[in-house]
Amino acid sequence: DAKTTQPTSMDCAEGRAANLPCNHSTISGNEYVYWYRQIHSQGPQYIIHGLKNNETNEMASLIITEDRKSSTLILPHATLRDTAVYYCIVSESPEDAGKSTFGDGTTLTVKP
Amino acid sequence: NAGVMQNPRHLVRRRGQEARLRCSPMKGHSHVYWYRQLPEEGLKFMVYLQKENIIDESGMPKERFSAEFPKEGPSILRIQQVVRGDSAAYFCASSAGTGTANYGYTFGSGTRLTVV
Repeated sequence: DAKTTQPTSMDCAEGRAANLPCNHSTISGNEYVYWYRQIHSQGPQYIIHGLKNNETNEMASLIITEDRKSSTLILPHATLRDTAVYYCIVSESPEDAGKSTFGDGTTLTVKP
Repeated sequence: NAGVMQNPRHLVRRRGQEARLRCSPMKGHSHVYWYRQLPEEGLKFMVYLQKENIIDESGMPKERFSAEFPKEGPSILRIQQVVRGDSAAYFCASSAGTGTANYGYTFGSGTRLTVV
């Protein structure tokens, strides 16, 4: 019952913007989009979340299309330490997001 | 240190033994989630607990696995009579729940269980 689809892998040059897409065509009006990442052998790390409007924080920006069927996570200046698996999850509530299976995500490799 | 603390970081058990994994949530967090990550796979939800209550255990195997989050002390994930297939990384996450501005979950560093 996958709610999101993401590319398996992406490469990005160090210092460039990394744009990670996520399709969530069946998203409902009450569902948020959450992004997490998991650096090798570490616990996942919350990045950002949004409902309708674009969001930005110190880590990343989240662009949600007007129809909300897809979104893009943007790391404006990728560094080698941003190499990780990035997970996109949709959920109505934080509690439901916590009950999500994170799936395979996108493996982002930042190259020098 | 205000992070989610999991211990031990690494645990080795022989087949048939019991494994106990502990998770202390962030200060002020009363919601705990456990996940399992098999090698080369994504995180799979196991169980969601609030203090003294199991809210959702739909991801827990029906046998040998149990979880608790007592009023005092850490949350415990217990695996009885471990088998080789239980070898995985087990992550715990905590949140403050509804009504808070920060919806993000904070994860611990995980416990890597190896069954020999």
